[in-house]
Amino acid sequence: GEDVEQSLFLSVREGDSSVINCTYTDSSSTYLYWYKQEPGAGLQLLTYIFSNMDMKQDQRLTVLLNKKDKHLSLRIADTQTGDSAIYFCAESNQAGTALIFGKGTTLSVSS
Amino acid sequence: DVKVTQSSRYLVKRTGEKVFLECVQDMDHENMFWYRQDPGLGLRLIYFSYDVKMKEKGDIPEGYSVSREKKERFSLILESASTNQTSMYLCASSSIGTADEQFFGPGTRLTVL
Repeated sequence: GEDVEQSLFLSVREGDSSVINCTYTDSSSTYLYWYKQEPGAGLQLLTYIFSNMDMKQDQRLTVLLNKKDKHLSLRIADTQTGDSAIYFCAESNQAGTALIFGKGTTLSVSS
Repeated sequence: DVKVTQSSRYLVKRTGEKVFLECVQDMDHENMFWYRQDPGLGLRLIYFSYDVKMKEKGDIPEGYSVSREKKERFSLILESASTNQTSMYLCASSSIGTADEQFFGPGTRLTVL
């Protein structure tokens, strides 16, 4: 069935780059997404990539998509303490009616 | 500014009680969703609705029901709350024809004693 896998924890120092990785199973997904959840809040869409793209850059964020390996990554340059949050990777389900989320990667940034 | 609101941030109920969680969106979105979020399990879809009076089961519908009488409002009902339904409940909405971006409410932390 459809599944999205990501590592649960990542710890980095302020100013370093963070890379959060994700693998997914459904290659028919038109878009792939990264959501961010700050403590005590709901999820917010951080960025998304169209499935026919390899890379998308948005300020400090770089999304890389390897369709052959079904691998998605999110790179955060110059990571700040305010980037500490849970990051969820998501893809559309086969019916295109809902999103399938990974379990979330908790990013901890130390100063 | 787009908004999804949930009726309570924190709720404490007793086993066997009927519980209503309300969600309202002001974006005229067709689709609405209920998830529960548990540590180590991520988000799991309970139910979703793509139109008024329509509902579809998600991955874990057992023990829950939903109601969508108006486009802007989607209610999650726990007919007889149990301790294993203690969780964070998140509501979301999205519009047809966009990049499926879902807008989330702040969540309701439900504790069942």
